Amino acid sequence: EVQLVESGGGLVQPGGSLRLSCAASGFSFSSYSMNWVRQAPGKGLEWVSYITSTSSTIYYADSVKGRFTISRDNARNSLFLQMNSLRAEDTAVYYCARESCSSISCNFDYWGQGTLVTVSS
Amino acid sequence: QAVLTQPSSLSASPGASASLTCTLRSGINVGTYTIYWYQQKPGSPPQYLLTYKSDSDKQQGSGVPSRFSGSKDASANAGILLISGLQSEDEADYYCMLWHSSAWVFGGGTKLTVL
Repeated sequence: EVQLVESGGGLVQPGGSLRLSCAASGFSFSSYSMNWVRQAPGKGLEWVSYITSTSSTIYYADSVKGRFTISRDNARNSLFLQMNSLRAEDTAVYYCARESCSSISCNFDYWGQGTLVTVSS
Repeated sequence: QAVLTQPSSLSASPGASASLTCTLRSGINVGTYTIYWYQQKPGSPPQYLLTYKSDSDKQQGSGVPSRFSGSKDASANAGILLISGLQSEDEADYYCMLWHSSAWVFGGGTKLTVL
């Protein structure tokens, strides 16, 4: 069974840092690209970052570029999101999502339950 | 102007059909994009529904009923999620998504009420 379990969320002051983790199991983690997606309370989904299976290609949303860093450890089946210079508007549930590709397209076929990050003084 | 625009809410009756639109920003041609649709129920992560680029280029999510289907309206520059035979369990938020300029982009979501 595919499982994605996020951790590392919590309360942090503006300007602070936090590192999120996503533990993957039930599939060959090293074969899949991964993404972070966030959702502010009562709001819609916002894509945050993407990393290929070998970490060769990484993309970020403009809203987090220069502040967040995505990484992965395929030996530990884990995905990470280092978040620095946090702002109130970064408050959200952060989901990790597996990106699965067929011959015609890619989609986020599995999602974790999410971890809540609250940025407040 | 947002890349993807969805109506914030839609209501429909059980057994009826609901057409959820996802309008692309002017200058971005829906015909060249693959549109993805997700369903999210309160307290749960999103779930993948389907992919649609054309009638010959589409994919249904695993276990997703055939009541859910995708299409495009080129004249409106929009992707469409059609849900037929609405059931109470279809009440949820629905999001469209596409890949644009090296980024995944979500629409703002449509809250579908079945009443």
